[in-house]
Amino acid sequence: NAGVTQTPKFRILKIGQSMTLQCTQDMNHNYMYWYRQDPGMGLKLIYYSVGAGITDKGEVPNGYNVSRSTTEDFPLRLELAAPSQTSVYFCASIKAGANTGELFFGEGSRLTVL
Amino acid sequence: AQKITQTQPGMFVQEKEAVTLDCTYDTSDPSYGLFWYKQPSSGEMIFLIYQGSYDQQNATEGRYSLNFQKARKSANLVISASQLGDSAMYFCAMRSMEYGNKLVFGAGTILRVKS
Repeated sequence: NAGVTQTPKFRILKIGQSMTLQCTQDMNHNYMYWYRQDPGMGLKLIYYSVGAGITDKGEVPNGYNVSRSTTEDFPLRLELAAPSQTSVYFCASIKAGANTGELFFGEGSRLTVL
Repeated sequence: AQKITQTQPGMFVQEKEAVTLDCTYDTSDPSYGLFWYKQPSSGEMIFLIYQGSYDQQNATEGRYSLNFQKARKSANLVISASQLGDSAMYFCAMRSMEYGNKLVFGAGTILRVKS
């Protein structure tokens, strides 16, 4: 299985540009998450989804949007990119239910806004 | 608010010794899950261990064990027989039904293993 796949792995944006980070999982997981990780810091939750058609804000949602039209896909949209959005972005998924195991991560997408 | 706290920004341990990385959490929900992840300098997130709030025994995976003290709301990671390859950032995380299944991470602890 491919697990969680993120694209692109690297991207440089100019201030004010927009882009979409793609995330796809093939494990039929209900729950999906987007995190950002600034250098030397922990992971901050941007948005999450508990199923198709359902999304909710995390700790740092400003400047981002998400959609979840299918179980497999959870794209993250950056509108009007700013230097403060320079970060590594991780997508993750997990099976439904509070007491289940591993959260599966993608390899990360390194975004630089100049 | 849902909260995960790792109070040790950095730790050193001698090779072959054991080390404990601290994690405390805050939730009033009886149903929750606790995770530990390792992030080496290469950047990927490596799953180490999981503890469910209803699990009767402390979780163990090879050299990793989770010292789960429910009443104290702590979920410390114990690494036995440290190896040089254990040098990395370690994150504790929690998912709780109370907070709509948000899964949030602590700030992390950098572990350095000395030879």
